[in-house]
Amino acid sequence: DTEVTQTPKHLVMGMTNKKSLKCEQHMGHRAMYWYKQKAKKPPELMFVYSYEKLSINESVPSRFSPECPNSSLLNLHLHALQPEDSALYLCASSQVGGLSGNTIYFGEGSWLTVV
Amino acid sequence: AQKVTQAQTEISVVEKEDVTLDCVYETRDTTYYLFWYKQPPSGELVFLIRRNSFDEQNEISGRYSWNFQKSTSSFNFTITASQVVDSAVYFCALRISNFGNEKLTFGTGTRLTIIP
Repeated sequence: DTEVTQTPKHLVMGMTNKKSLKCEQHMGHRAMYWYKQKAKKPPELMFVYSYEKLSINESVPSRFSPECPNSSLLNLHLHALQPEDSALYLCASSQVGGLSGNTIYFGEGSWLTVV
Repeated sequence: AQKVTQAQTEISVVEKEDVTLDCVYETRDTTYYLFWYKQPPSGELVFLIRRNSFDEQNEISGRYSWNFQKSTSSFNFTITASQVVDSAVYFCALRISNFGNEKLTFGTGTRLTIIP
C-alpha cells in the first residue's frame, strides 16, 4: 500500500466551483510534489515544496494554488478550472537534495473531471 | 537537457512469456539516477527500482530483472513468466544529481498487456 494518501479519489467540479485536493505522507519526507497526468501521457511536474517552501512552480496557471501547511500535508486548491484541466493529479514525496538521487514516491492520485 | 526514450508504445504478450521493456536515456551529467515505475489502471505510480549511474550491477527481484548498460545508455526491464497482474503502463525516468533539483524526466511509457 502507498504511504502517500490522496483525497478525494474522484472529483467532479463545475467551472465556477472551488475545491481542494489533499495529500498526506508520514514517511518523514521534506519534499512534496504535485504532478498532472493526462491520458496516455507521462506525469508532468506542477509544483515542488521543499521544507514547506515552494521551490518549483512549472509556470502553472494561477487557478491552481498549492499550499503546504506542514511537512506532512500538501493541498492543491482549485478555482475556475477549465474542462482541459481534467486529468489525474498525483501527489508525491521524497527526501530532499544531496547526491542520493532520492526516490520519489507517489500516491494513488485524484481523478479530476471539470464540467 | 535530459531525455528518456521508450520506443515501445504498446506490447502484448501471452501469459507466461518473457517480455523486455526498453529504455534509452540521454544526459551529459556523470552522476544520475534511473528509475522504473509501474502504473496500473487504478492510477498509482508504483516505484519498482532505482539505479545509480556509478553502479552498473544488474538486479533481479523475483520475476523482475533490470539490465543497466552505460555504454549504450540503456536501462532495460525484463519480466520473466509474465502474469496478468503485470498488465500496466511502465515508465522509465531519469534524475540528475543536482542539489535541490528534484525533477524527474519521464519517458512516454510502455503499455504492457498480458493476455491470459
